Amino acid sequence: EVQLVESGGGLVQPGGSLRLSCAASGFTFSSYAMTWVRQAPGKGLEWVSGISGSGGSTYYADSVKGRFTISRDNSKNTLFLQMNSLRAEDTAVYYCARAAVGVVTAEIDYWGQGTLVTVSS
Amino acid sequence: EIVLTQSPDFHSVTPKEKVSIACRATQTIGNSLHWYQQKPDQSPKLLIKYASQSISGVPSRFSGSGSGTDFTLTINSLEAEDAATYYCHQSSSLPITFGQGTRLEIK
Repeated sequence: EVQLVESGGGLVQPGGSLRLSCAASGFTFSSYAMTWVRQAPGKGLEWVSGISGSGGSTYYADSVKGRFTISRDNSKNTLFLQMNSLRAEDTAVYYCARAAVGVVTAEIDYWGQGTLVTVSS
Repeated sequence: EIVLTQSPDFHSVTPKEKVSIACRATQTIGNSLHWYQQKPDQSPKLLIKYASQSISGVPSRFSGSGSGTDFTLTINSLEAEDAATYYCHQSSSLPITFGQGTRLEIK
């Protein structure tokens, strides 16, 4: 059974940093591209970042480019999102999600339960 | 960036009714359009991939159609459990984008 379990969310002050993790199980992690999608309270879905199966290619939404860094450790089946210079508008539930194939530009077939990030003073 | 616009934003329907949700893209995306269902306090769930391909385990009352810039999600014979927000998603080009969502209320 495919499982994606996020952790690392919490309350952080504007300008601060946070590192999200996503532990994957139930599939060959390195064979799949992975993405982060966020959802602000009461709002819709926003794609944040994606990474290829090997980790060699990374992609970002303009809203987070230069502030967020996606990475993965295929030996530990774990996806990461390093978030720096956080702003109030980054407040959201962050979902770890699996692209159905090895490229980011594919349907998302599995989602984690999400982890809440709140940026506030 | 490809913008996806869904219509309507909100729909109130009765059980057993048939409902359609539209998704329009600002440029052609072939069939790289997918649909998701999100119930309150849950993660999204994939319903339809590549405009019209069914997903294992998803009830057959859900179907999709369209290509290019105009797409439709159709739900036949609505059930109470279909109350949710529905999102379209394009994977044709980066950045990946989602529609704003359509909230479906079952009367």
